[in-house]
Amino acid sequence: DSGVTQTPKHLITATGQRVTLRCSPRSGDLSVYWYQQSLDQGLQFLIQYYNGEERAKGNILERFSAQQFPDLHSELNLSSLELGDSALYFCASSGAGEVTDTQYFGPGTRLTVL
Amino acid sequence: GESVGLHLPTLSVQEGDNSIINCAYSNSASDYFIWYKQESGKGPQFIIDIRSNMDKRQGQRVTVLLNKTVKHLSLQIAATQPGDSAVYFCAENVSGTYKYIFGTGTRLKVLA
Repeated sequence: DSGVTQTPKHLITATGQRVTLRCSPRSGDLSVYWYQQSLDQGLQFLIQYYNGEERAKGNILERFSAQQFPDLHSELNLSSLELGDSALYFCASSGAGEVTDTQYFGPGTRLTVL
Repeated sequence: GESVGLHLPTLSVQEGDNSIINCAYSNSASDYFIWYKQESGKGPQFIIDIRSNMDKRQGQRVTVLLNKTVKHLSLQIAATQPGDSAVYFCAENVSGTYKYIFGTGTRLKVLA
């Protein structure tokens, strides 16, 4: 158990809908990362937050947004969902969010868009 | 459930043998590299890392080798055990950024 929690575990929804994925980092970690893992593209870095502020952006679509709250939990919002958004979404956390900090991954949320 | 793609290259090794998993990284400006292990139904787990000022780094039963000339990274697992069965992938960080690029992964199967 990495100490990172993600909810829900599974999510099934329809095209055009909007969903919110939630992540609680390990106790004491200030940085949160979001990743998408799909069958055809592997693991893709989406976005990183550090202590409530966005630090880095990767391949995140404009339909997706994220935020980190004062209690350090984070949410990833996916809107206008398309079939291709079906994937595993992982959250990871690290202490200070530096490049060489070990990232601890949560168990993931499996999103299925029908 | 299955966590990663179904068409990953697969390496099958006998229990007790050494395993070597390779990764070609993409950006010559990358200066920090990580190997992850992902078991079925779980998130990736950090194994070992290496900075670009090193050629080799050893951990417990694992060794990472870095060849910057050909942009190649390898992970060696000594005395492979059934619990090593998983998908392994490398990640690179481009110098000066907080972004990470991940390799597609290799599935390791340990045969009893």
